[in-house]
Amino acid sequence: DGGITQSPKYLFRKEGQNVTLSCEQNLNHDAMYWYRQDPGQGLRLIYYSQIVNDFQKGDIAEGYSVSREKKESFPLTVTSAQKNPTAFYLCASSTFGQGHVEAFFGQGTRLTVV
Amino acid sequence: DQQVKQNSPSLSVQEGRISILNCDYTNSMFDYFLWYKKYPAEGPTFLISISSIKDKNEDGRFTVFLNKSAKHLSLHIVPSQPGDSAVYFCAASLTSGTYKYIFGTGTRLKVLA
Repeated sequence: DGGITQSPKYLFRKEGQNVTLSCEQNLNHDAMYWYRQDPGQGLRLIYYSQIVNDFQKGDIAEGYSVSREKKESFPLTVTSAQKNPTAFYLCASSTFGQGHVEAFFGQGTRLTVV
Repeated sequence: DQQVKQNSPSLSVQEGRISILNCDYTNSMFDYFLWYKKYPAEGPTFLISISSIKDKNEDGRFTVFLNKSAKHLSLHIVPSQPGDSAVYFCAASLTSGTYKYIFGTGTRLKVLA
């Protein structure tokens, strides 16, 4: 079954710690994305990558970092510099350069800072 | 600056009636528009889309209308069913250049039995 897997589903972090959220896809998609969902604010784009070894900042990249060393993997690190990291994080992927296509989402990771 | 806006945070509709969800955008360069449905603690699932060269796209009970001059799109669900109760996000994308999806803030639809 093709899809996007995010792990873990729930994550707790102490203030001042970095934490990495995993996102893996077996859809052979070139493009991958990280979004953050907060109540009343929809989905806001953190980072996106259109090809391996390349990525761009989205609208709210401060306090986050990513890497794209493999086509199927796009991990997101929430650093201690992120002022309000408690949120629901969503990873997505899509084909790239093939016209009008939809993005497919994982099931999300709920991060809570304690 | 919110490029994609959903001004109604919530909507309640009786089962069997029509649900109309609205979305406005500001960037005239967007050329593809999508609607996603989302349940709590789950990822959004793709529902229906429309290219900027069309003004209507229909898929079963779901129809999306696009008014480019008004920079407005809407999703019609007819007839509405209790299982349609969820948060609906509209999204816009550019299929050239930066190629990313910009989402609205969502509308929570509640279909009353």
